[in-house]
Amino acid sequence: EAQVTQNPRYLITVTGKKLTVTCSQNMNHEYMSWYRQDPGLGLRQIYYSMNVEVTDKGDVPEGYKVSRKEKRNFPLILESPSPNQTSLYFCASKHTSAASYNEQFFGPGTRLTVL
Amino acid sequence: SQKIEQNSEALNIQEGKTATLTCNYTNYSPAYLQWYRQDPGRGPVFLLLIRENEKEKRKERLKVTFDTTLKQSLFHITASQPADSATYLCALASGGSYIPTFGRGTSLIVHP
Repeated sequence: EAQVTQNPRYLITVTGKKLTVTCSQNMNHEYMSWYRQDPGLGLRQIYYSMNVEVTDKGDVPEGYKVSRKEKRNFPLILESPSPNQTSLYFCASKHTSAASYNEQFFGPGTRLTVL
Repeated sequence: SQKIEQNSEALNIQEGKTATLTCNYTNYSPAYLQWYRQDPGRGPVFLLLIRENEKEKRKERLKVTFDTTLKQSLFHITASQPADSATYLCALASGGSYIPTFGRGTSLIVHP
């Protein structure tokens, strides 16, 4: 089954404790992206990657890191989480073929609480 | 600055009626526009895409229109059902960009 998986789905942590949220896709997509979603603010892009070893900042990159060592994986790293990073996080992927303006496939979400 | 606007107020309609949701944009020259459905706590799911040179697209009970003069897209669900209750997001991308920007979404509530 074609899908984007994220782990963990739920995480409660404390300020300053480094954490990683994993994202993996099995559709051989070139493009992967991380979003956070907060009430009233909608989906905001954190980082994206057009392909392996190519990453770029989105609209709200502060406090986050990413890496793209393999095509299928795109982990999100919070080196020193703070309470304002409490949010619902989504990973997404898509092909980058311009011919079809492909849809994005989203993961199930990771609900992060930073105390 | 670029802006995508969707009605922040929930749309309440009766089952069987047509729901119409609006997506307005400014300072964009979008090559395409997408509509997604999102259920609470879950990831968005793609519904429809319409290109800049298309006026209308249909898929089963869904219809999307795209007016680049008015800078607006309308999303219609005919014969609405309670199961259609969800938040609907529009997303736009400019020509040559693979990266769509999302609106904040409009909540639709269909009452039995």
